[in-house]
Amino acid sequence: ETGVTQSPTHLIKTRGQQVTLRCSSQSGHNTVSWYQQALGQGPQFIFQYYREEENGRGNFPPRFSGLQFPNYSSELNVNALELDDSALYLCASSLAAAGVGPGANVLTFGAGSRLTVL
Amino acid sequence: QKEVEQDPGPLSVPEGAIVSLNCTYSNSAFQYFMWYRQYSRKGPELLMYTYSSGNKEDGRFTAQVDKSSKYISLFIRDSQPSDSATYLCAMSAPGGYQKVTFGIGTKLQVIP
Repeated sequence: ETGVTQSPTHLIKTRGQQVTLRCSSQSGHNTVSWYQQALGQGPQFIFQYYREEENGRGNFPPRFSGLQFPNYSSELNVNALELDDSALYLCASSLAAAGVGPGANVLTFGAGSRLTVL
Repeated sequence: QKEVEQDPGPLSVPEGAIVSLNCTYSNSAFQYFMWYRQYSRKGPELLMYTYSSGNKEDGRFTAQVDKSSKYISLFIRDSQPSDSATYLCAMSAPGGYQKVTFGIGTKLQVIP
């Protein structure tokens, strides 16, 4: 059973640029969530994907967008990067019927992608 | 006011001590309560998962939920240096998509 893998592990961008982060779900999982963890903070929910559609979103602006693919892998895209976007971006997969219900909150996290915006 | 409050520590204890970690919350809709452990430069890993009020034990770890007080706890018995990590409480409400709300995390150091 493979876990959640994320790439790249580290990257540095400048303000105004765009970034794409990638995630492969744990085998057998059908739901993907993305979280932002700023230094010294807990993870903050960005959005969740089920069946290739966003089915829940936290308090993040539209320049944060995502995709889920038929194999349940996912991408997080952030446009017009700001200094405050510097953080660890965590992908988490879970298994839930219809993308809702208690199974969807039993999260398996990847190691994260650390983004630095200069 | 944050939905979930957690003391960030750091908390330093000698090996073998009993560790008590706590969180309070304000959203009465929360029904699912979790504790995650996060080592440096790693993603969080699920330690304990409980539904509604009550206690749950798994080896050296015990999770307690008191919904009447909106207070959850994690106890670690016979703490080991390998327990040194950041412990995140997390919770979610039933229905719809499952947004998980995390505390800030408590950094624990167990000294040999």
